[in-house]
Amino acid sequence: AQKITQTQPGMFVQEKEAVTLDCTYDTSDPSYGLFWYKQPSSGEMIFLIYQGSYDQQNATEGRYSLNFQKARKSANLVISASQLGDSAMYFCAMRDWTTDSWGKLQFGAGTQVVVTP
Amino acid sequence: DTAVSQTPKYLVTQMGNDKSIKCEQNLGHDTMYWYKQDSKKFLKIMFSYNNKELIINETVPNRFSPKSPDKAHLNLHINSLELGDSAVYFCASSRDRADQPQHFGDGTRLSIL
Repeated sequence: AQKITQTQPGMFVQEKEAVTLDCTYDTSDPSYGLFWYKQPSSGEMIFLIYQGSYDQQNATEGRYSLNFQKARKSANLVISASQLGDSAMYFCAMRDWTTDSWGKLQFGAGTQVVVTP
Repeated sequence: DTAVSQTPKYLVTQMGNDKSIKCEQNLGHDTMYWYKQDSKKFLKIMFSYNNKELIINETVPNRFSPKSPDKAHLNLHINSLELGDSAVYFCASSRDRADQPQHFGDGTRLSIL
């Protein structure tokens, strides 16, 4: 069963604006981690930001921040001051520690972001 | 200083052939993974090795066989290639902790003719 849901297949954003990428997840394990990755058109997977299930504060990493709402099981990525180089596919992923998953990453379907001048 | 390197970057071959993809990491990580990204960009784990031991084996055909000669290497051998095997295959590695990200190689694009 799909555990990570990204409802926005694609979005356009203007340069210098902020953009929020949605991610909801489903797990019964109290211990888990949420990750966001960027995949530009060149194909590599770039790690952006991490949020642990027990973290009290929302994660931030430069222009990236995570809006973590544990009760709603959502972990939205916010990119501030978008740049042309932010155009890419963005993946939300979850790593839980149930005995049958042993830390594997489960990915959402991704959101394609296009930044326009 | 490439952290996770996989070769080749592109692999074009005919149906029925056998091929291998090699992966090496110089990050000192204990765990390595193979993921498959399909034409719709969906990423799914195939295998995971921890200290040379297989710990995750998703529902993958027996034609796919991973081999880990040591902690820094995880190779993927595919027998009797089929059209449906066309995809991008990513190798990744991580420390053995839940809060540690997985670092990915650049991917191998496999095309079956």
